[in-house]
Amino acid sequence: NAGVTQTPKFQVLKTGQSMTLQCAQDMNHNSMYWYRQDPGMGLRLIYYSASEGTTDKGEVPNGYNVSRLNKREFSLRLESAAPSQTSVYFCASSNDRGGRGSNEQFFGPGTRLTVL
Amino acid sequence: AQSVAQPEDQVNVAEGNPLTVKCTYSVSGNPYLFWYVQYPNRGLQFLLKYITGDNLVKGSYGFEAEFNKSQTSFHLKKPSALVSDSALYFCAVRDRGSGGSNYKLTFGKGTLLTVNP
Repeated sequence: NAGVTQTPKFQVLKTGQSMTLQCAQDMNHNSMYWYRQDPGMGLRLIYYSASEGTTDKGEVPNGYNVSRLNKREFSLRLESAAPSQTSVYFCASSNDRGGRGSNEQFFGPGTRLTVL
Repeated sequence: AQSVAQPEDQVNVAEGNPLTVKCTYSVSGNPYLFWYVQYPNRGLQFLLKYITGDNLVKGSYGFEAEFNKSQTSFHLKKPSALVSDSALYFCAVRDRGSGGSNYKLTFGKGTLLTVNP
């Protein structure tokens, strides 16, 4: 049972390049989330997927797109990277049902992204 | 809207002393409250949560937290700190709302706990 896995662990991009961050969970959770962590800012929600086939914007969605490929996988895409997107990105999952659950989120190890 | 405040960026305690990491929240309805810990270069790990019932919640690694509705607080505590408790701690809140769905978990900015030998 690997929990939540993320690839890659590290990435350096040039401004304007694109890339996709991959996330997978093996806990059969319904809900998945993408956060970014910046110093002194805590974690901010980028996008989330309440269930397979649905996605919604979080607090800071601009410049990102997501795909809920199936129940296990939730990817985050940067179409044209900017230096302001330099951050640590975390994927998480939880077993919430209908957005009324009290279940905790399980986090992946993170991807450190630098945009030059 | 829901929000969380962690008023201390850093907390320093001596090993063996009690520790407290403070958290206050704001929600329109009733809250679900969580504490997470992050060790260097790692993801967040769940420590404990308050859903309902007993205001004192016990969690992993000897940590506990007390829910105080009148003060809208959920402070994290441990009776005797260990050097290995040194990490970044995050408080988080989800508003239960009035029956509608709410998937969003709002995090505080984090408090860096340093336990000195």
